Amino acid sequence: AAGVIQSPRHLIKEKRETATLKCYPIPRHDTVYWYQQGPGQDPQFLISFYEKMQSDKGSIPDRFSAQQFSDYHSELNMSSLELGDSALYFCASSSPPGGTDTQYFGPGTRLTVL
Amino acid sequence: AQSVSQHNHHVILSEAASLELGCNYSYGGTVNLFWYVQYPGQHLQLLLKYFSGDPLVKGIKGFEAEFIKSKFSFNLRKPSVQWSDTAEYFCAVKGYSGGGADGLTFGKGTHLIIQP
Repeated sequence: AAGVIQSPRHLIKEKRETATLKCYPIPRHDTVYWYQQGPGQDPQFLISFYEKMQSDKGSIPDRFSAQQFSDYHSELNMSSLELGDSALYFCASSSPPGGTDTQYFGPGTRLTVL
Repeated sequence: AQSVSQHNHHVILSEAASLELGCNYSYGGTVNLFWYVQYPGQHLQLLLKYFSGDPLVKGIKGFEAEFIKSKFSFNLRKPSVQWSDTAEYFCAVKGYSGGGADGLTFGKGTHLIIQP
């Protein structure tokens, strides 16, 4: 079965640079979630989109923004990168949103900020 | 806002031992509950979930969990663990707001090591 696709899988950036992470949800899933998992930490919810509209917002820094496109893929844009942004960034997708949806996670993008 | 507490951060067991990982949550309304597993270097995989109905839910790989509403608990169990169960286990909760793509709140995780 098709899974959530994330690209790139690994990314190395310098401080103050920008980064763009991409997420392609499972076919026919219209809801996308972004999570950040620091080393040895639990995943922290950043933001979600349903039908191209922002749906829920978690602990996403103001330096980060995200959007969902007409084909339901999503991009997380990160600017003015800091050392503390080094983490594994997971995308998850689900359908339909609401109380009984299950989120399926992608393999993650490992971002290293030097 | 909801929160999740996992009692054990590190658990070491021998193969064939029984497993129970504790999870408690706090949320005033209806919740959906999940257990995810993360094998070393891999992404989160869903083990099982509870939405409603029978409070004893069965998942993949022989895992099960029991939802006890009065105790706000959702403990994960497996009667006989295998070496391949070595992984990080996360309990997660989603408060049901009646609509919208709400994010999951995860516990801190339990690092399970199975010794052969």
